[in-house]
Amino acid sequence: SQKIEQNSEALNIQEGKTATLTCNYTNYSPAYLQWYRQDPGRGPVFLLLIRENEKEKRKERLKVTFDTTLKQSLFHITASQPADSATYLCALEATGRRALTFGSGTRLQVQP
Amino acid sequence: EADIYQTPRYLVIGTGKKITLECSQTMGHDKMYWYQQDPGMELHLIHYSYGVNSTEKGDLSSESTVSRIRTEHFPLTLESARPSHTSQYLCASGGANEKLFFGSGTQLSVL
Repeated sequence: SQKIEQNSEALNIQEGKTATLTCNYTNYSPAYLQWYRQDPGRGPVFLLLIRENEKEKRKERLKVTFDTTLKQSLFHITASQPADSATYLCALEATGRRALTFGSGTRLQVQP
Repeated sequence: EADIYQTPRYLVIGTGKKITLECSQTMGHDKMYWYQQDPGMELHLIHYSYGVNSTEKGDLSSESTVSRIRTEHFPLTLESARPSHTSQYLCASGGANEKLFFGSGTQLSVL
């Protein structure tokens, strides 16, 4: 069965450090992968999309890599700030359906 | 700022009541979705639509129904609410570039 796995344990890092979050998937052949941010009690907000033919994508302090051989995406936040504290979700389009399936997310806590 | 709106933001109702959760978007998106999310848990797709008069069930078995009579409107209805329906319901829409815009959600509590 198709599965998306994100580290369920919270990631605690110090302000100014780089946060790295992992998304692994099985039984998907995704054309692209997306990352979203979700704050408590709110809907997810789109951050980045990376396509299967792209190895890396950057947006300001964010960087995403996509390794279709390892079936893994890494999400990096450089120079992290307390305002970056949130849950980060990766998402893939389910085979045969134009709808996203989300991972359970990893909660990031940036300490001042 | 995403132009997708959900009402009500919070709803507390008694068992057996019929409820409709509203979702509207002004972006002209063809694709719309309903996800259900319990606290600290992942989003589960319960319904989606590719356009007017098109609706499909998602991964999570749900006793809710949806309709898509207008492009901008995608309401979700529960004919008889039960405590097991207590959850957060998130509506989203998507255009041609695959990214989704989510509403702020409806937190439903059934007593």
